[in-house]
Amino acid sequence: KQEVTQIPAALSVPEGENLVLNCSFTDSAIYNLQWFRQDPGKGLTSLLLIQSSQREQTSGRLNASLDKSSGRSTLYIAASQPGDSATYLCAVTYMNNFNKFYFGSGTKLNVKP
Amino acid sequence: DTGVSQNPRHKITKRGQNVTFRCDPISEHNRLYWYRQTLGQGPEFLTYFQNEAQLEKSRLLSDRFSAERPKGSFSTLEIQRTEQGDSAMYLCASSLFGLQGDYGYTFGSGTRLTVV
Repeated sequence: KQEVTQIPAALSVPEGENLVLNCSFTDSAIYNLQWFRQDPGKGLTSLLLIQSSQREQTSGRLNASLDKSSGRSTLYIAASQPGDSATYLCAVTYMNNFNKFYFGSGTKLNVKP
Repeated sequence: DTGVSQNPRHKITKRGQNVTFRCDPISEHNRLYWYRQTLGQGPEFLTYFQNEAQLEKSRLLSDRFSAERPKGSFSTLEIQRTEQGDSAMYLCASSLFGLQGDYGYTFGSGTRLTVV
């Protein structure tokens, strides 16, 4: 079964702290991996997309890494801000069917002012 | 084009009633996807279309669920004889799929269904 797991389920940090969100997947034959942000009651906003041939992607204060051999990805958020508070979802597509995402359950982040 | 549009945003219905949701994708996108998200969980794939053809359906899509995409534009998702377990956020996404792969994957804001 192609499972995606995210740890921790929830995280609360003071403003300004650097933090790391973790995502693990059971099948290393991935097509790509994407990190999304979801605000309460809203849809998903794509943050970073990493193709299977890439090791990392960066956008502003966000950096995502991919290690296929260990089945892990991390999302690094530098200098966190209260506006970063949201649920962060990791989603994987696989080589045998890249037409759909397998999502983790998300990490709910709260950045305290 | 303002992105993927879903209507209604919220729907409260009584158990046993039928409901229909609509999704309008980004106009140049040829693929359209439906996902379902229950509280505290990540979205789960339901089905997707390429143009007007429905190419894959999840086992989650029971015979009470039907999706259509006439003329390859907007899509509707209908749930017949709703059950309390159908309460969830229904998310639509669209993308442009071509020889180079899948691009511009964009989600709508979802339709939240509550079955009472």
